[in-house]
Amino acid sequence: GEDVEQSLFLSVREGDSSVINCTYTDSSSTYLYWYKQEPGAGLQLLTYIFSNMDMKQDQRLTVLLNKKDKHLSLRIADTQTGDSAIYFCAETLGGSYIPTFGRGTSLIVHP
Amino acid sequence: NAGVTQTPKFRVLKTGQSMTLLCAQDMNHEYMYWYRQDPGMGLRLIHYSVGEGTTAKGEVPDGYNVSRLKKQNFLLGLESAAPSQTSVYFCASSYNGEPLHFGNGTRLTVT
Repeated sequence: GEDVEQSLFLSVREGDSSVINCTYTDSSSTYLYWYKQEPGAGLQLLTYIFSNMDMKQDQRLTVLLNKKDKHLSLRIADTQTGDSAIYFCAETLGGSYIPTFGRGTSLIVHP
Repeated sequence: NAGVTQTPKFRVLKTGQSMTLLCAQDMNHEYMYWYRQDPGMGLRLIHYSVGEGTTAKGEVPDGYNVSRLKKQNFLLGLESAAPSQTSVYFCASSYNGEPLHFGNGTRLTVT
């Protein structure tokens, strides 16, 4: 099976909160990342969290890490149409510089 | 500061033709990567390099070759293109485990 799993689609109404979920399987992960890909562009780093942290907040973004369940989530408050994109979860194992990416979640924001 | 630059942005090849994709980074990063992105498949690592003069195989290396003669450049070659290599190719670079910086991609169609 995949090392990093995400649901493929999420649809939300403008102004609502979005929660994108990710599960990973390797307990030795050291870094966990969220990247955003807009149409026709490359991936841009949104935020990342060290595996010894539970939460990280950055303006409208909140990352939660549940190490026991190997679950990572990205919450976007007050979702806007400009947030429509594909969001990738990724992990890097200790001692490795090769991240493993999930398949990406397409976030669709409608009025 | 250009970051990661990929050329060309688009290319159409006929089956059996060859081509080279160029990736250049100006951040003095040691690590460089080539990924391909296909619908529903996420990002798959083709080859990567941990420093000038070194290369290594990723998840899907068959049909591709790479070279890293200079630290700032990472070339991806297709010796005999096949329709299965129709994809969007992304180059990325990183510094010793820090998050990856991506280029904007090359869209390749093989007919």
